[in-house]
Amino acid sequence: DAGITQSPRYKITETGRQVTLMCHQTWSHSYMFWYRQDLGHGLRLIYYSAAADITDKGEVPDGYVVSRSKTENFPLTLESATRSQTSVYFCASSFRPGGGTGELFFGEGSRLTVL
Amino acid sequence: AQSVAQPEDQVNVAEGNPLTVKCTYSVSGNPYLFWYVQYPNRGLQFLLKYITGDNLVKGSYGFEAEFNKSQTSFHLKKPSALVSDSALYFCAVRGEDSSYKLIFGSGTRLLVRP
Repeated sequence: DAGITQSPRYKITETGRQVTLMCHQTWSHSYMFWYRQDLGHGLRLIYYSAAADITDKGEVPDGYVVSRSKTENFPLTLESATRSQTSVYFCASSFRPGGGTGELFFGEGSRLTVL
Repeated sequence: AQSVAQPEDQVNVAEGNPLTVKCTYSVSGNPYLFWYVQYPNRGLQFLLKYITGDNLVKGSYGFEAEFNKSQTSFHLKKPSALVSDSALYFCAVRGEDSSYKLIFGSGTRLLVRP
């Protein structure tokens, strides 16, 4: 049972480059989420998705793009990376509506450094 | 708007002593509350949740949490701390819309000394 996996786990890039962080889940969960974790801020929601082809902005969406063509995948793209996007990124998923009470299941995180 | 506050950046406790990690929340309706734990270089792991019912909720690894509606609090507790409980703890509240998104507190680092 692979659960939810993120790749890459570690990435170093340069300002202005495009970066894509991948997230894959094997539970057929409807909901998927991207959070970033920064010291002093806890976890902040970037984007989320209720189902394939349905996405919505969270608290800090600027500079990020998401897509969800398949239920199991939810990639996060930084179109032109900035130093302020240096962070640890977590993908999470949740039960189908009506099938649970909403706890999220998290991946192991992707640590991104933008030089 | 809904929010969660964790007033302590760090909690220190001796092994074998009881521990409490504090959390207060603000929502307009009935709260769905969660606690997560994060070990170094790992993702967040679900500990427990309050949806409805008993105010004392039991979860994983011997942790429990007490829901207090009048004080809008959801403090995490454990009767006897272990060194291995040392980690970062997050309180979260479910959003008031139907999106299942969680709003997290800033986290509290628990340090259990031998």
